[in-house]
Amino acid sequence: SAVISQKPSRDICQRGTSLTIQCQVDSQVTMMFWYRQQPGQSLTLIATANQGSEATYESGFVIDKFPISRPNLTFSTLTVSNMSPEDSSIYLCSVVYGYEQYFGPGTRLTVT
Amino acid sequence: RKEVEQDPGPFNVPEGATVAFNCTYSNSASQSFFWYRQDCRKEPKLLMSVYSSGNEDGRFTAQLNRASQYISLLIRDSKLSDSATYLCVVMGSSYKLIFGSGTRLLVRP
Repeated sequence: SAVISQKPSRDICQRGTSLTIQCQVDSQVTMMFWYRQQPGQSLTLIATANQGSEATYESGFVIDKFPISRPNLTFSTLTVSNMSPEDSSIYLCSVVYGYEQYFGPGTRLTVT
Repeated sequence: RKEVEQDPGPFNVPEGATVAFNCTYSNSASQSFFWYRQDCRKEPKLLMSVYSSGNEDGRFTAQLNRASQYISLLIRDSKLSDSATYLCVVMGSSYKLIFGSGTRLLVRP
């Protein structure tokens, strides 16, 4: 399986600010995803971030709020923009390796 | 109707017990199915893929019933370390994963 790291592991941010989350993979992968897990909930897909193409967003998520970069096959960033308390969540990146999907350790975001 | 439905539990069982979780999915065209395990404050970890013929990995057995659109996970001889939330996951188009809400398992001494 791939080894995935995320930075920061956690942060506390003020409303109205933005946070950029980094996801680093130890091997080259084509398909990468960003998920959100709100408190007490299961995971919801935010967007697909494949290298060489624009990120594609799921219903309810927009690029202005969650811009994504995917500059190469081992790295991606997700920015949570103009944060509000409703954005308090765990944000996880995942990669497809083989035909299975593996998750990073997550970034725990609290917006005050 | 949710795309993937699970009983949230919790299932509270003694060590050594056998416990089974079921999950139903709504899209009959779904092709790939998985069980993930999530410990408190950790990321989900792949427990096992679910194949049409059923598959077993040690104490864990997963089965798929396409006609009824349900997936099951059986855990035999439960250990304290099996306490976690078990997520039923269906793969949609383009490798997107659709998660159930999870079933919480508590194994007591």
